[in-house]
Amino acid sequence: EDKVVQSPLSLVVHEGDTVTLNCSYEVTNFRSLLWYKQEKKAPTFLFMLTSSGIEKKSGRLSSILDKKELFSILNITATQTGDSAVYLCAVHRIQGAQKLVFGQGTRLTINP
Amino acid sequence: GAGVSQSPRYKVAKRGQDVALRCDPISGHVSLFWYQQALGQGPEFLTYFQNEAQLDKSGLPSDRFFAERPEGSVSTLKIQRTQQEDSAVYLCASSLAEPGWSEQYFGPGTRLTVT
Repeated sequence: EDKVVQSPLSLVVHEGDTVTLNCSYEVTNFRSLLWYKQEKKAPTFLFMLTSSGIEKKSGRLSSILDKKELFSILNITATQTGDSAVYLCAVHRIQGAQKLVFGQGTRLTINP
Repeated sequence: GAGVSQSPRYKVAKRGQDVALRCDPISGHVSLFWYQQALGQGPEFLTYFQNEAQLDKSGLPSDRFFAERPEGSVSTLKIQRTQQEDSAVYLCASSLAEPGWSEQYFGPGTRLTVT
């Protein structure tokens, strides 16, 4: 059965700190891994990763995928209170069920 | 442009009532998904449409759950004889292309509370 595990489940840091969120997966016929940010409403798309070792960046956020070790990390540098949210990781398969399999999410709290 | 919209945003139903949840995907998006998100959990897949065809309904938890997308645009998720365990946020997502090759855009969700 496809599985996505995120760690830590919860993280509290001070504004300005750098954080690393982890996502490991077990899925057959992997196609892509996606990161979403969820505040009190719709998950909003951050990154889609398909190739190993290629970092994707957007401002203070960056992410990389390791298809050999089956994990991805999401880095946030110089955190701000607006980064407080649940960060979701999801994976997609090449064949079979056309769905995203989500992890439980990491709840990130940035204190001023 | 307009994103994915869902209605109602909140729904309170008495146990045993039927409910209908609506999703308006982004115009032109062929793929539409429904997910169920329990408190403190990640979304879990319910069903997937490509245009009007329901290609995967493996995540629907029981035969009380039914989804349709008759004209390949708006979709409705219907839950019959609601139970307390159906209380959750129901998220709709759409994507432009075949799943896996483009990101899914999510609506704000419908929070269903069954009392």
